Amino acid sequence: NAGVTQTPKFQVLKTGQSMTLQCAQDMNHNSMYWYRQDPGMGLRLIYYSASEGTTDKGEVPNGYNVSRLNKREFSLRLESAAPSQTSVYFCASIRAGTSTDTQYFGPGTRLTVL
Amino acid sequence: QKEVEQDPGPLSVPEGAIVSLNCTYSNSAFQYFMWYRQYSRKGPELLMYTYSSGNKEDGRFTAQVDKSSKYISLFIRDSQPSDSATYLCAMSAGYSSASKIIFGSGTRLSIRP
Repeated sequence: NAGVTQTPKFQVLKTGQSMTLQCAQDMNHNSMYWYRQDPGMGLRLIYYSASEGTTDKGEVPNGYNVSRLNKREFSLRLESAAPSQTSVYFCASIRAGTSTDTQYFGPGTRLTVL
Repeated sequence: QKEVEQDPGPLSVPEGAIVSLNCTYSNSAFQYFMWYRQYSRKGPELLMYTYSSGNKEDGRFTAQVDKSSKYISLFIRDSQPSDSATYLCAMSAGYSSASKIIFGSGTRLSIRP
């Protein structure tokens, strides 16, 4: 049981390049989330998927797209990377539906855009 | 104004001390309050989870929620060097998958041996 896994762990891009961050969970969770973490800003929600086949915008969706490929996988795509997207990206998942469910986070992807 | 405010620290205390970490918030709809611990270069992990007002204790950790003051606290007793991490408060108005969790910016804690 690996929990939530993310690839890659590190990435350096040039402005304008595109890339996809991958996330997978093996806990049979319904809901998945993408956050970015910047110094002094805490975790900010980019997009989330309440269930397979649905996606919704979070607090900071501009410049990103997502795909909920199946129940296990939720990918985040940067179509044209900008220096402002330099950040640490975390994927999280939750079974959802009860007050005691908790979010499980992946180890993060550290992205630098030059 | 941010919905959730948290002092970024850093906070440095000697081993064995009692640590108090705090957050304030502005949204009175928040009912679920969480504390996450994040070690360097790792993802956050849930420490404590509290619903509405009151106290909750788990080993050396106690979470307090005062909804009337919109103030939450995490106390760590007998602090250990292994407690050195960034602590994030988080809160939500509901517990469905569509309920957004708002995080504080985190307090960096260092426990000196």
